Amino acid sequence: KNEVEQSPQNLTAQEGEFITINCSYSVGISALHWLQQHPGGGIVSLFMLSSGKKKHGRLIATINIQEKHSSLHITASHPRDSAVYICAVRYPGTASKLTFGTGTRLQVTL
Amino acid sequence: DTAVSQTPKYLVTQMGNDKSIKCEQNLGHDTMYWYKQDSKKFLKIMFSYNNKELIINETVPNRFSPKSPDKAHLNLHINSLELGDSAVYFCASSQEVVDRPHTEAFFGQGTRLTVV
Repeated sequence: KNEVEQSPQNLTAQEGEFITINCSYSVGISALHWLQQHPGGGIVSLFMLSSGKKKHGRLIATINIQEKHSSLHITASHPRDSAVYICAVRYPGTASKLTFGTGTRLQVTL
Repeated sequence: DTAVSQTPKYLVTQMGNDKSIKCEQNLGHDTMYWYKQDSKKFLKIMFSYNNKELIINETVPNRFSPKSPDKAHLNLHINSLELGDSAVYFCASSQEVVDRPHTEAFFGQGTRLTVV
């Protein structure tokens, strides 16, 4: 069992739909990252969170420290949002190490 | 301007060869990493360097040797390549902040290594 669990593993949505991707972890963390990996392979950092909520354009990330859970929301989804979304956590005292979830593959269709 | 750049992007080589992947960042970050992404797209850390010093070495075979000539560069040298080394290798960087988590990580575009 992976330390960082994501759901769903695969997600297909129609353009315009509201999308939620979930991430849960088992022990306390110092920060959580949401990353996006495009079909071409490059990885882009979307958010880094240690509490609360962040918004960037149509993307919103929330984290609930007590429940050890984070969500990534995409409003008004578009085919260009199709990518793999990866949750990654930093544990306290582990220097700079990131532990990754297994990723959620999102396909947005017209 | 590319923040984290890796070369080459693709590398095809025979078993038993020795190869290197180079990584450079122009962000002024003090920490650099190598991650391996396997065929199932799962990412896992291999090494982390802070100011040219190794701080994380995650049970990677000693055929893999990272080298950091300065804090802007972290190269990965692989000896005696094996079929199982085929994967995508990502370099990344971030900045350590006192008493706070590191800043977000910036990733290179990846190097797809195929061992035949």
